[in-house]
Amino acid sequence: KNEVEQSPQNLTAQEGEFITINCSYSVGISALHWLQQHPGGGIVSLFMLSSGKKKHGRLIATINIQEKHSSLHITASHPRDSAVYICAVRSRGAGSYQLTFGKGTKLSVIP
Amino acid sequence: EPEVTQTPSHQVTQMGQEVILRCVPISNHLYFYWYRQILGQKVEFLVSFYNNEISEKSEIFDDQFSVERPDGSNFTLKIRSTKLEDSAMYFCASSPSNQPQHFGDGTRLSIL
Repeated sequence: KNEVEQSPQNLTAQEGEFITINCSYSVGISALHWLQQHPGGGIVSLFMLSSGKKKHGRLIATINIQEKHSSLHITASHPRDSAVYICAVRSRGAGSYQLTFGKGTKLSVIP
Repeated sequence: EPEVTQTPSHQVTQMGQEVILRCVPISNHLYFYWYRQILGQKVEFLVSFYNNEISEKSEIFDDQFSVERPDGSNFTLKIRSTKLEDSAMYFCASSPSNQPQHFGDGTRLSIL
């Protein structure tokens, strides 16, 4: 069973700061997802990646398969980025689509 | 942009009662999922559904749970005899195949 660990658990940043959230997992995967959970509870998929790096606006996600580690970066953070960021992995295996989730990182960006 | 929609947004039910949570996945998606999140805890996988049958389920998804796609648009989760510990946010998701999953806004289930 894959264990997904995120750090930090909580993060407070000043507006404009560069933010990094880390995720590590224990068993080989076919894909890693970064998700954003809003205060109301809704979940939005930010990235799905299996290698390298992806960028969307101010968000960048990287993954190192050998080290079983991924990072989510937010450049020029803004109060509207305040949310819980969740890492989830899909383990390898034919037909395996279930996700295993980390506990999330609660980000608060202060103006 | 197409969305996954879930109804109701909040369901309050007496312990022991049956409850049905409803989801309308994105129309051209083929894979459907249910997850739950107990307050303050991480999201947990319940079940995935493809080609009108369960493709995977977790140990949480025991005999009190069932899923159905009664028509071409709805995907439902039924909990037969609810317990207090079933209180959670339940999320539906769908995906076309090997693609990111699109999540609904969730149904908050409160068991009294």
